[in-house]
This record gives sequence, structure tokens and C-alpha cells, in this order.
Amino acid sequence: AQKVTQAQTEISVVEKEDVTLDCVYETRDTTYYLFWYKQPPSGELVFLIRRNSFDEQNEISGRYSWNFQKSTSSFNFTITASQVVDSAVYFCALSTRTDKLIFGTGTRLQVFP
Amino acid sequence: GAGVSQSPSNKVTEKGKDVELRCDPISGHTALYWYRQSLGQGLEFLIYFQGNSAPDKSGLPSDRFSAERTGGSVSTLTIQRTQQEDSAVYLCASSLEVRNPTDTQYFGPGTRLTVL
Repeated sequence: AQKVTQAQTEISVVEKEDVTLDCVYETRDTTYYLFWYKQPPSGELVFLIRRNSFDEQNEISGRYSWNFQKSTSSFNFTITASQVVDSAVYFCALSTRTDKLIFGTGTRLQVFP
Repeated sequence: GAGVSQSPSNKVTEKGKDVELRCDPISGHTALYWYRQSLGQGLEFLIYFQGNSAPDKSGLPSDRFSAERTGGSVSTLTIQRTQQEDSAVYLCASSLEVRNPTDTQYFGPGTRLTVL
């Protein structure tokens, strides 16, 4: 079975705090892809990052960083120095051979000024 | 360039009526996906197209749901005899093609369907 778990339903932080969103995945496939999407209040899903299962290098993009650990089946997302504009629902997703995305239930992040 | 577009943005219908939702993918993208986002079920895959064929319809919840794609571009999702549980946001995504490695899917703004 393939599954994505985002245990944190909602997180609230104050601006400039760092915040980490957790994602744990399950799959028996050896080739798979992991994604993070952001859904702001406007509703549109915005692509943030894609990683494949053969590349465990962590990635940093500005204030965003991602930690992929196959040993714990986790693909966590950290926002450094959070800003109000980061307020959104963040989804972690998995795809394998069939290409359809399997989404977690999302984490709602609220950043207060 | 232009992103994925969907129409209408909002649709309110009465139980039992048929509805059609439209998706226009990013130009040049051959793969097209439909998902549904509802409070109770989260984000669920419905169907995807590679060109005009639909290799995976496994997510369609019932035979009241169907989708087609013509000319390898625009897709229409049709829901017949709508029920209140069909109320959700229907999201369309497209990617360059379905291949290995998987291409990134880019999403449209969605159609919010409300069945009264």
C-alpha cells in the first residue's frame, strides 16, 4: 500500500520563527517521487519541490529546505524565518509507477505577525 | 506562459442534474489529471490521460463520473445525476508527459462544485 502521513494538522507560529512540517511516506516501490505543494487561501496548488528516491541530498531554496531520509521514510520541509505570506496549507505527495499523486492530509500553517 | 485553466470557477447545481467541468492544460503538456478535494476525503486522484487515452480511471468514484479528452488538449469531466456528496473542489493538473522519471504536475485553480 502507498500512503503519505502528515501528522501535524495545524501549526501556528509567530513571524521569524523557523517551522518544520513533517511528512512520512509508505511504498514498496524502489523508484518513487516525493513532492511538496503549497495551497494558499486562493486555493491553487503551487508546486514547491520534487525529489526522486535515488537522490537523498537535502535541498535549500531561499528560506525553504527539505530533508529527505529514506531510513525513516521521511521528507520534511523547513521554513526558516517564517513570514505571514507563508500561511497556507502544505501538502506532501508521493507518486510511483502509476504517476498519480497520493497526497497527505495537509498541514495548515498560520504565521502571525 | 499560461498555466492550467479550469471553468467554471464555481458551479452550483441541484441534485440530480448533470454537470460538465472543463480543463485546459498547459500548452504542450500531454498528460492531464483530475483530482477531487473535499473536506472528508482530502485530495483524491480521479483519472489521468496520456494524450486522448485514459490508462488509469481507478479513482472515478462511480459510473456517474466520466471524462474525455479530445485533440490531446482540453478535457471535460462529466458528473451525471449529481448527488450532494459530489460537492467538492475539482482540480485539474497537467504535466509534460507520463514517463519515467515522473514529470511534475502543475495544477489549475479548480472548480468548486456545490450540489444542493
